[in-house]
Amino acid sequence: ILNVEQSPQSLHVQEGDSTNFTCSFPSSNFYALHWYRWETAKSPEALFVMTLNGDEKKKGRISATLNTKEGYSYLYIKGSQPEDSATYLCAFKAGGGADGLTFGKGTHLIIQP
Amino acid sequence: DAEITQSPRHKITETGRQVTLACHQTWNHNNMFWYRQDLGHGLRLIHYSYGVHDTNKGEVSDGYSVSRSNTEDLPLTLESAASSQTSVYFCASSFLPGETGELFFGEGSRLTVL
Repeated sequence: ILNVEQSPQSLHVQEGDSTNFTCSFPSSNFYALHWYRWETAKSPEALFVMTLNGDEKKKGRISATLNTKEGYSYLYIKGSQPEDSATYLCAFKAGGGADGLTFGKGTHLIIQP
Repeated sequence: DAEITQSPRHKITETGRQVTLACHQTWNHNNMFWYRQDLGHGLRLIHYSYGVHDTNKGEVSDGYSVSRSNTEDLPLTLESAASSQTSVYFCASSFLPGETGELFFGEGSRLTVL
């Protein structure tokens, strides 16, 4: 069983502030790293899929970086808005035909007006 | 619009009964997955398929089975439901091989086993 850790578990941020959180994964045998946003009563929606060390992806105010050699990815949200409140999941895929994606437990983000 | 749908959305059953959760996608994706979501755990992979007649066990496959007779459907069967299988189940599909493409999730099926 692969170990994918997300920190912090939960986070309260004031509207307008920027924030970031971490996904840690095994540094060997990397294949892909996914980020998803999961709003309450909905299903997870993809933000980014990252496959190369040093990858940086951006979608509006949200961006992500990837360091496969040390086994971590950061998700950044700039100028948080109430609609950013959600649980953010990362998921790791190992190479060599290993089984599917392993998800972290998520970071629960609450934006306070 | 293409989509992925799960049914039923809610089900209550008794211990020992056979239950099947349906998953249907209209994107023509080769890859389909079943996950379960429980408090204190992330999404955990039950079974997955990379194409017609292909099925593979995931991390928590005991007590579950799947079959893939066409591209669109991957039904999940609980042969003899147990209370430990009370959970929310999510089906997902993706297009690109090796999970380099994003997963598209269904809306979830909440199963309660009494």
